[in-house]
Amino acid sequence: GAVVSQHPSRVICKSGTSVKIECRSLDFQATTMFWYRQFPKKSLMLMATSNEGSKATYEQGVEKDKFLINHASLTLSTLTVTSAHPEDSSFYICSARLAGYEQYFGPGTRLTVT
Amino acid sequence: QKEVEQDPGPLSVPEGAIVSLNCTYSNSAFQYFMWYRQYSRKGPELLMYTYSSGNKEDGRFTAQVDKSSKYISLFIRDSQPSDSATYLCAMATSGTYKYIFGTGTRLKVLA
Repeated sequence: GAVVSQHPSRVICKSGTSVKIECRSLDFQATTMFWYRQFPKKSLMLMATSNEGSKATYEQGVEKDKFLINHASLTLSTLTVTSAHPEDSSFYICSARLAGYEQYFGPGTRLTVT
Repeated sequence: QKEVEQDPGPLSVPEGAIVSLNCTYSNSAFQYFMWYRQYSRKGPELLMYTYSSGNKEDGRFTAQVDKSSKYISLFIRDSQPSDSATYLCAMATSGTYKYIFGTGTRLKVLA
């Protein structure tokens, strides 16, 4: 149990385009999902907290107009990187809160902006 | 000073060894302590989840929390080459579900 999927697993896009990443909790409902960014050989950096039916809460320094988050259902949250630039290239990982303080992570999406 | 400190390694051990991984922290408000395993280019996998102080065992893994010393540990018994990965500690305070992660320790178990 407690499986989280992400789609796509890898995406390459051109500078200036937008990319949408989906995060789904497959066997449980998650009122709270999180989006992280991870640079090579670095730890996870929390970008935003996504609550079903309400606006996401962004961490300091994360541009909410650039990283659009939608949590429209209890099993789906999406992250849209708008007007992507090469510096947005990274590994994006979502997690879903099962119960209490347990978070289960997706497999990640590798974004490359050319 | 970072809120959570973790030695990045790499830590190399022979197969069958007992591995000890540690994190220290500065925020005494942390109540929830987690250990994750992350293979290269994959998402983190939850190994252990503990609340407050004490020990918790699950198979070959034992998690210890010493809140008085602000120190947590993960022990892996009978380590296997398949245990080679990066191990991340994470912590949260009561009332917020946000995790603060350590930088991760790279572990290599040599066959």
